[in-house]
Amino acid sequence: GIQVEQSPPDLILQEGANSTLRCNFSDSVNNLQWFHQNPWGQLINLFYIPSGTKQNGRLSATTVATERYSLLYISSSQTTDSGVYFCADTDSWGKLQFGAGTQVVVTP
Amino acid sequence: DSGVTQTPKHLITATGQRVTLRCSPRSGDLSVYWYQQSLDQGLQFLIQYYNGEERAKGNILERFSAQQFPDLHSELNLSSLELGDSALYFCASSGTSFNEQFFGPGTRLTVL
Repeated sequence: GIQVEQSPPDLILQEGANSTLRCNFSDSVNNLQWFHQNPWGQLINLFYIPSGTKQNGRLSATTVATERYSLLYISSSQTTDSGVYFCADTDSWGKLQFGAGTQVVVTP
Repeated sequence: DSGVTQTPKHLITATGQRVTLRCSPRSGDLSVYWYQQSLDQGLQFLIQYYNGEERAKGNILERFSAQQFPDLHSELNLSSLELGDSALYFCASSGTSFNEQFFGPGTRLTVL
């Protein structure tokens, strides 16, 4: 099945800093999604982005499907951005295969 | 709010017991997925239903079963529970194109 690699595994940011999270895929991109899991465990949809660039407030994402990677940008980070960020893509059956996640801690 | 609901939010039970987790998909979504998130395995796909029929299966244990009812809600049944079954169980739903999946708030299961 598809392999999903996320980097970095951990990120510590000071409030106001910018950061980039990366996701690499072993196979062609189908239905790439980015999620944020907050400290309470909820999985929140951030982006559905099989290709191109999208922006939502301080977050934006870019997927380069031909090169099998996606980037998530966090600008002017806030403490509420803390949590784990996952990228995931579906296989041919529609099952989401998740990466191991990037643990982000934003300090005041 | 994703529109996917799950009950209960928390469940504490003992080894050997059986529990049922419930999920209601977003309005109009026919496809329901179940995922398990444990500390050592990460987020893993369990099973998918589409309009009442099983469509895909992951590494779901034989002690686990699921079904999707005519009103499209789904239930995940976990039996002969073991300590290692303690995890967050998520339900997700998607439309007919099976592209974007929306996740419910999860059920946190603790087996003592």
